[in-house]
Amino acid sequence: SQQGEEDPQALSIQEGENATMNCSYKTSINNLQWYRQNSGRGLVHLILIRSNEREKHSGRLRVTLDTSKKSSSLLITASRAADTASYFCATDYGNNRLAFGKGNQVVVIP
Amino acid sequence: DAGVIQSPRHEVTEMGQEVTLRCKPISGHDYLFWYRQTMMRGLELLIYFNNNVPIDDSGMPEDRFSAKMPNASFSTLKIQPSEPRDSAVYFCASSLMAGGADTQYFGPGTRLTVL
Repeated sequence: SQQGEEDPQALSIQEGENATMNCSYKTSINNLQWYRQNSGRGLVHLILIRSNEREKHSGRLRVTLDTSKKSSSLLITASRAADTASYFCATDYGNNRLAFGKGNQVVVIP
Repeated sequence: DAGVIQSPRHEVTEMGQEVTLRCKPISGHDYLFWYRQTMMRGLELLIYFNNNVPIDDSGMPEDRFSAKMPNASFSTLKIQPSEPRDSAVYFCASSLMAGGADTQYFGPGTRLTVL
């Protein structure tokens, strides 16, 4: 499968701690995106990183991309209870579509 | 803009019945995507449209599924006849540019239960 695969699948942390999720993919990509899904809701775009970029920041989010290892990581710093959600990586293989991973469930305990 | 609008939000039907899911994309977005989400298979792309034209329907599971986009502001996904294994959350998403290169905006989803 060419879909991104997040690791770990589930993460439980205390409020204020950092949360890190990883995503691997199998072939070359044009860009990679991360999305968040709160329970019972649609996915919300967080950040897009292009294949020629190595790191990108957005607020408390930091995304890295290592094309040599075909992997990406999403770091959420100083987590809050509101960050409790599922996080998906999605890869663009240049065919006008995104391939989504299975998602990472993150629970932030107040 | 109100975002992507989907209706109904919940649908419970009996096996064999026809189901129609509706989507209104964000105005001005040229791409529209239909996804299905289940615990077992995750988020699967069913079909996408560009300027109202279906481009890739290879993800449509079988002939019981059909999708249309009669104009830029409306799309439907129809299942006829429905089966219990079709139970899932169906999302519609739209984007301004090609789906991989641009942010996709998702609707709230339709939770379909087929009894």
